[in-house]
Amino acid sequence: DSGVTQTPKHLITATGQRVTLRCSPRSGDLSVYWYQQSLDQGLQFLIQYYNGEERAKGNILERFSAQQFPDLHSELNLSSLELGDSALYFCASSTPSPGLPVGELFFGEGSRLTVL
Amino acid sequence: TQLLEQSPQFLSIQEGENLTVYCNSSSVFSSLQWYRQEPGEGPVLLVTVVTGGEVKKLKRLTFQFGDARKDSSLHITAAQPGDTGLYLCAGARGAQKLVFGQGTRLTINP
Repeated sequence: DSGVTQTPKHLITATGQRVTLRCSPRSGDLSVYWYQQSLDQGLQFLIQYYNGEERAKGNILERFSAQQFPDLHSELNLSSLELGDSALYFCASSTPSPGLPVGELFFGEGSRLTVL
Repeated sequence: TQLLEQSPQFLSIQEGENLTVYCNSSSVFSSLQWYRQEPGEGPVLLVTVVTGGEVKKLKRLTFQFGDARKDSSLHITAAQPGDTGLYLCAGARGAQKLVFGQGTRLTINP
């Protein structure tokens, strides 16, 4: 158990719909990362938050948005869903390690999104 | 275009054999991590390498960071079925985002 909780574990929806994925980081971790994992693209970095502020942005579509709340949980909102958005969405959290540029990322079990 | 290229993408070998998987890039990374992911789970960190030329050992796994900090390798000695999984390398450029390779899917047959 990584200590990172993601809900829902599975989600099936239709094209054009909107969904929200939720992540609770490990206790004490201030950074939250969102990644998308599909069969042909590997693990793609979407966005990172640190203590409520956006810290880094990756290949996140304009249809997607995220935020980190004061209690440090995070939500990833996916709208106008397309078939190609079907993937595993992972949340990870970390705490900076002294002397290391990036600390260890602790991943949740992922949310599997299927768009029909 | 993938910033980190992993090879091979798929590898299936017999128990007891040795293997090496590679993670290559044209970019310099401040650190590089290796993760292993099993079906239905998120990736789990195996090791972090920071210094060019650094070698770290984790039981039967040996990790090396290239001298120029652009590439890395993972060598497994006497592979066991429990080593089966998706091995991902991830490079950090600065203090923010971690970029992952596509992974090497390893199967160890009993």
